[in-house]
Amino acid sequence: GENVEQHPSTLSVQEGDSAVIKCTYSDSASNYFPWYKQELGKGPQLIIDIRSNVGEKKDQRIAVTLNKTAKHFSLHITETQPEDSAVYFCAARVTGGFKTIFGAGTRLFVKA
Amino acid sequence: GAVVSQHPSWVICKSGTSVKIECRSLDFQATTMFWYRQFPKQSLMLMATSNEGSKATYEQGVEKDKFLINHASLTLSTLTVTSAHPEDSSFYICSATSLAGTSEQYFGPGTRLTVT
Repeated sequence: GENVEQHPSTLSVQEGDSAVIKCTYSDSASNYFPWYKQELGKGPQLIIDIRSNVGEKKDQRIAVTLNKTAKHFSLHITETQPEDSAVYFCAARVTGGFKTIFGAGTRLFVKA
Repeated sequence: GAVVSQHPSWVICKSGTSVKIECRSLDFQATTMFWYRQFPKQSLMLMATSNEGSKATYEQGVEKDKFLINHASLTLSTLTVTSAHPEDSSFYICSATSLAGTSEQYFGPGTRLTVT
């Protein structure tokens, strides 16, 4: 089955710096890759997603890149702010179904 | 955007009792709802997938008789933890996908269950 690995597990950056979180997936049939932000005590919130027919997608300070050949996808947050502090999860959707496999999560700390 | 609610947001129950958690899609019809479990500082673990009007599909290792899932309508799914024990204490999160068939999953805010 699909396996998603996520790195780093913890990331600490200074306010205004960029943050990059990387994920790899194992199932080449996966074709949908969402990223979620989870704040303490809350459910995950979709922040950006990318499909396998696209290499890059950007939404204001957030961007995601996908390398299908290497089975890598990454989240880039620029000009980080303290409110970006949260746990971020990458995920991959198995083709033909709705089962979403999550990475282990990255705890992002943005220091003011 | 699509909104998914859960009730209650937190619950404390005694060992041996059962507790029901509701998941509702407020502004869309959900063909499929998912139930996840999350332990502190860990990722989301899929417990089961439910489609309206049919039996839920449980993931390996999840006891279907302990975690009863009912998806009675296109806007409501319930998870009942039967004969709860302290090890069932966890954060339970539901999510839903819409009839529109897009890939997005919309997550609820989660329910924190504590079994004493």
